[in-house]
Amino acid sequence: DGGITQSPKYLFRKEGQNVTLSCEQNLNHDAMYWYRQDPGQGLRLIYYSQIVNDFQKGDIAEGYSVSREKKESFPLTVTSAQKNPTAFYLCASSFSPETRSGNTIYFGEGSWLTVV
Amino acid sequence: QKEVEQDPGPLSVPEGAIVSLNCTYSNSAFQYFMWYRQYSRKGPELLMYTYSSGNKEDGRFTAQVDKSSKYISLFIRDSQPSDSATYLCAMSSAGGTSYGKLTFGQGTILTVHP
Repeated sequence: DGGITQSPKYLFRKEGQNVTLSCEQNLNHDAMYWYRQDPGQGLRLIYYSQIVNDFQKGDIAEGYSVSREKKESFPLTVTSAQKNPTAFYLCASSFSPETRSGNTIYFGEGSWLTVV
Repeated sequence: QKEVEQDPGPLSVPEGAIVSLNCTYSNSAFQYFMWYRQYSRKGPELLMYTYSSGNKEDGRFTAQVDKSSKYISLFIRDSQPSDSATYLCAMSSAGGTSYGKLTFGQGTILTVHP
């Protein structure tokens, strides 16, 4: 089945550690995104990538890093510099980053990160 | 002030009721408007997509956009317990590669009880 796979579903991180969240899609989409969701704040954009080997910062990129070495993969690293990393992280993708009708954004099932 | 405001609820209605969910926004550049449904601990799924002003209907769901008032709504007719979820409005401006950069409301928690 086509879709977006995020792993792990649940992750615990100690203070000062870096962790990497995996996101893989087999939809042949060019654009991929990472959002963070906190209670009562909706979703906020961390990073996005329009094509392979290219990515841009979103609204809350500080303390995060990404790479886009393959079209199907867009891993997110939560670094020790991120002061409040406990959240629900959502990966998404769309066929194209261009604005046009029908260019739907699909989300993965999310990854829960808790700092202990 | 946030670009998109959405009443977080929670909203509790009996089965069969008509539900109205709303968002207001301040950015006049927004042209694409979406409603997502999110079940607990799951990723959001797209329910409705509207471009510019007007109405769009899909089964029990109707989306309305009033750009002059910067106000969008989602109506659910004959609500079912399976509609219980968090509903998120999302918006994007037109032009270039801005589509994927959605701005979301805070989400409204809806419970439909039998």
